[in-house]
Amino acid sequence: AQKVTQAQTEISVVEKEDVTLDCVYETRDTTYYLFWYKQPPSGELVFLIRRNSFDEQNEISGRYSWNFQKSTSSFNFTITASQVVDSAVYFCALNSGNTPLVFGKGTRLSVIA
Amino acid sequence: DAGITQSPRHKVTETGTPVTLRCHQTENHRYMYWYRQDPGHGLRLIHYSYGVKDTDKGEVSDGYSVSRSKTEDFLLTLESATSSQTSVYFCAIRPASGYYQETQYFGPGTRLLVL
Repeated sequence: AQKVTQAQTEISVVEKEDVTLDCVYETRDTTYYLFWYKQPPSGELVFLIRRNSFDEQNEISGRYSWNFQKSTSSFNFTITASQVVDSAVYFCALNSGNTPLVFGKGTRLSVIA
Repeated sequence: DAGITQSPRHKVTETGTPVTLRCHQTENHRYMYWYRQDPGHGLRLIHYSYGVKDTDKGEVSDGYSVSRSKTEDFLLTLESATSSQTSVYFCAIRPASGYYQETQYFGPGTRLLVL
């Protein structure tokens, strides 16, 4: 069975601080996909990134970066110079292509001005 | 925009009544999903569909049924609503082809309160 663990339930940072959200996964499949979603206070779920198991390159998109390490089964998400608009619940998720997503329980990030 | 709508967006109902939630998509995606979101549990899969009339159960399917008689609509029915089914319900689609074919895209959600 697949499992995603987000050990940080809530994180609070002051604006402009860097923050890393941890995600650890479990799967027996050799081909799988990892995702991050953002849920702002308005409630919608916004897709941020997908990474497949064969691509361990880190990715950077503006202030966001993702660190995928198969050796530690982790897919961590870093926000650099956090802003109040980054306040949201962030979900890490996993599937094996055709299978439904398995979600972690989410990390609530509060960025304080 | 993945072209997903959910209706109703908010509903209050009483224990024991049947409730149907609708998910509608405009882009003929083959795969559709229903999740519920509860504090401390994240999102949990209720049912999913891989084509018209093809559905399967998820992690928390007890008390729910689904139907998909046409590609664009996926209905979730609470046969006899209970207070434990108070939740936010999200529908999702997954493209069957293309670069992001493994990615699920979500509708806006339906807030259901069972009194």
